[in-house]
Amino acid sequence: GENVEQHPSTLSVQEGDSAVIKCTYSDSASNYFPWYKQELGKRPQLIIDIRSNVGEKKDQRIAVTLNKTAKHFSLHITETQPEDSAVYFCAASLSSGSARQLTFGSGTQLTVLP
Amino acid sequence: GAVVSQHPSWVICKSGTSVKIECRSLDFQATTMFWYRQFPKQSLMLMATSNEGSKATYEQGVEKDKFLINHASLTLSTLTVTSAHPEDSSFYICSASRTGGENIQYFGAGTRLSVL
Repeated sequence: GENVEQHPSTLSVQEGDSAVIKCTYSDSASNYFPWYKQELGKRPQLIIDIRSNVGEKKDQRIAVTLNKTAKHFSLHITETQPEDSAVYFCAASLSSGSARQLTFGSGTQLTVLP
Repeated sequence: GAVVSQHPSWVICKSGTSVKIECRSLDFQATTMFWYRQFPKQSLMLMATSNEGSKATYEQGVEKDKFLINHASLTLSTLTVTSAHPEDSSFYICSASRTGGENIQYFGAGTRLSVL
C-alpha cells in the first residue's frame, strides 16, 4: 500500500518568513495530493491540493509543488502569519472519479512566532 | 460548500457501554465516508471505509465487531463503539466525498470520546 513520509515534524518560523513542508510517497500510481490544516481539537481543513497532471499550484500565500519522478511534493507558505500556526498534514491518494482512501503523512506542527 | 456534520462533539461514558457517533453530509450525497482515529499529536489513522448500502471495509487491526459501521443512506454513516474501554478513548473523525465527484474529502468536526 501507499506510504507517505512528512518532514519536518516541527517547524518554527518568524512572522513574515516562509515555511516549507516536504512529503514523499511510495506508490507511483497515486495522483492526488491534498494538504490539510488542523488546529488543535478541530477538523482538518483542505487548504490546497494538486493532481499529477500539474507540477505546481498556487493560491495566494500558499503553493504546492509536485515532482512525480522523485515522488515528492511540498507545501510552501510565504509571508507567514501567527494564524498560520497549526498542524499541517499531507496526503496521497489514487483518484479515479470515485472516493479513494487518503494516506496521511505524520504531520508538521508549524509555529509562527510574532 | 460541502459541509459534514458530526455528533456528538464530545462524549464521556462508562466502561462497558456503547457509544454511537453520527456523520452527516448536509448539502451533498456521499456514497463513501471514511472513519479515522487520531491520538494526541499524531496523524489520522484510517479505521474503515463506509459504503452506502454495503458492508464497511476495515483496515488491518481494526476490530469490526467492536467498531460497528452503518451507512444506511447517502447522507448518514454511524460508528458505534461497542463495550467501550478506556483504551478506546480517542478523537474520532469522519470524512465524506461527493458521489460522482473528485476525490476531495470533507471532514467532520470530530468526536472526543472519553471512557471512564
